[in-house]
Amino acid sequence: EDQVTQSPEALRLQEGESSSLNCSYTVSGLRGLFWYRQDPGKGPEFLFTLYSAGEEKEKERLKATLTKKESFLHITAPKPEDSATYLCAVKSSGTYKYIFGTGTRLKVLA
Amino acid sequence: SQTIHQWPATLVQPVGSPLSLECTVEGTSNPNLYWYRQAAGRGLQLLFYSVGIGQISSEVPQNLSASRPQDRQFILSSKKLLLSDSGFYLCAWSGSGLTIYEQYFGPGTRLTVT
Repeated sequence: EDQVTQSPEALRLQEGESSSLNCSYTVSGLRGLFWYRQDPGKGPEFLFTLYSAGEEKEKERLKATLTKKESFLHITAPKPEDSATYLCAVKSSGTYKYIFGTGTRLKVLA
Repeated sequence: SQTIHQWPATLVQPVGSPLSLECTVEGTSNPNLYWYRQAAGRGLQLLFYSVGIGQISSEVPQNLSASRPQDRQFILSSKKLLLSDSGFYLCAWSGSGLTIYEQYFGPGTRLTVT
């Protein structure tokens, strides 16, 4: 059964303190791994799609990487506005379904 | 550009009352459409998805149902709400078929069953 596990569940950082969020997955034939940002009371906002091991994508202070078993979302010199829940999802071959992790709640303190 | 709308934004309903949540997508055709529920502090639970008009796949047996009367319209319904139906309901769309497309989410509906 396809499964996604995110860690840590919650993370508190000081402004400027870089860190990484982890997304471990077990899927039969990964076709895509997706990262989303979700602010309280809002729908998830798409950030990145990664297709194959070794791929990296960057956007401002965020960088997503992918291996055959996990993905990392690296946050460099975070700011308070980066505070949100970050969700990871996977899509495997032959299915219309996306499997989501439970997310990492990030709080960046000024 | 594509946009996705959901309404209402918030809803408070008594136990046993009916429910109808609506989702519409603009700027694309023949999208795959999805309904999710998100409990407080939890991940997204897939409820239904649709790959075409009148085609509905149910993921969780419960008192909810979904319909897709038009290409870009997706409706979530219930005849009698339960307390456990409270949550944040999200509609999402992706490109058609099995191609690897990212999903885009609507703003959500906060449902409280009292």
